[in-house]
Amino acid sequence: QVQLVQSGAEVKKPGSSVKVSCKASGGTFSSCAISWVRQAPGQGLEWMGGIIPIFGTSNYAQKFQGRVTITADESTSTAYMEVSSLRSEDSAVYYCARTPTVIANYYYYGMDVWGQGTTVTVSS
Amino acid sequence: QSALTQPASVSGSPGQSITISCTGTSSDVGGHNSVSWYQRHPGKAPKLMIYEVSHRPAGVPDRFSASKSDNTASLAISGLQAEDEADYYCSSYTSSSTLVVFGGGTKLTVL
Repeated sequence: QVQLVQSGAEVKKPGSSVKVSCKASGGTFSSCAISWVRQAPGQGLEWMGGIIPIFGTSNYAQKFQGRVTITADESTSTAYMEVSSLRSEDSAVYYCARTPTVIANYYYYGMDVWGQGTTVTVSS
Repeated sequence: QSALTQPASVSGSPGQSITISCTGTSSDVGGHNSVSWYQRHPGKAPKLMIYEVSHRPAGVPDRFSASKSDNTASLAISGLQAEDEADYYCSSYTSSSTLVVFGGGTKLTVL
């Protein structure tokens, strides 16, 4: 059973960037898409974007277009999510999550495996 | 404010049944069979309970069921158990540029 293991907590200054990783353990990315979802304190879940690793094609919610970059390294079964120009409102727990399909509109379907979450704190 | 509207809280006694609603629009819930439901215990990652409106992944008890009517989806839990106490979130594909929207979450308390 595949597990998604994320990198550790980060503390960043406003205006800087953060890159969070998500590695598949016990499986590969060969037949799935990976999404990134965040939850800020007191807020709901928010889908940021995703990628189909074997194709390298990524999609973004318009809110994050241009400030978030999602990539994947199929050789290491690791996905990455980078947020630039960080502001305090980006302080949140960031999750990666898998959808077991490689069709283009993978975001139509549910996410069945989630990482443990990475806390990103943006503070001066 | 979340795109999909859920009640902030629901409660029930062990053995009882409850329903959680999730209201959207024709651009999301009403227009697509894409509704998913997630269970989240404090400090844990979300767990997929329902996908494509009414389908249960392997391992999810059949006490959990879901449906959709017009712009509102519903999650029903029968035979409530203490372990069901958690936050529940709905989500849906949306034809807007957001692509995926979530509800604000519903806290289920088992009395």
